[in-house]
Amino acid sequence: NAGVTQTPKFQVLKTGQSMTLQCAQDMNHEYMSWYRQDPGMGLRLIHYSVGAGITDQGEVPNGYNVSRSTTEDFPLRLLSAAPSQTSVYFCASSYSDWSPLHFGNGTRLTVT
Amino acid sequence: EDQVTQSPEALRLQEGESSSLNCSYTVSGLRGLFWYRQDPGKGPEFLFTLYSAGEEKEKERLKATLTKKESFLHITAPKPEDSATYLCAGDYGGSQGNLIFGKGTKLSVKP
Repeated sequence: NAGVTQTPKFQVLKTGQSMTLQCAQDMNHEYMSWYRQDPGMGLRLIHYSVGAGITDQGEVPNGYNVSRSTTEDFPLRLLSAAPSQTSVYFCASSYSDWSPLHFGNGTRLTVT
Repeated sequence: EDQVTQSPEALRLQEGESSSLNCSYTVSGLRGLFWYRQDPGKGPEFLFTLYSAGEEKEKERLKATLTKKESFLHITAPKPEDSATYLCAGDYGGSQGNLIFGKGTKLSVKP
């Protein structure tokens, strides 16, 4: 039981490049979400999903896209990277919207 | 706007020196209060959920309590391995979109 797996662990992009951050969970959780963590700020929600085929925006969705074609996977796409997207990104899952979140170990992204 | 505020930002303790971390929150609409522990380079790890004022939960040297306007994480006789950042989050209901995280308290325990 691996829990929530994020890849890659580190990534450096140039401004304007695109990439996909991968997230997979093996707990059969319906709820999945993406957060970013910046120094001096709390975790902020980017996008979330309440099940396959259903996604919604969080607090800071601009510049990011998501899709949820399976229960297990919830990739986050950066369409055209900007230096303001330099951050640590965490994927999380939970059994329900009442349940605690299970987090992956994050992807540290630097945009130059 | 819902708010979750943690204090202090950082706390340095000697091994064995008990203390408390504070999390104050917007009362209206709170469905539950979560505590997480985050080690450097790792994702947050769930510790406790509290739902109603007066509720307490314990795990090893940690005890979380909830009042009508704040929550405390009490650390009794801490050890160096308790060093981490502790996050609290308020669940304001609906979907995962209504989970508000505080900025965290970085705890350092020196031997």
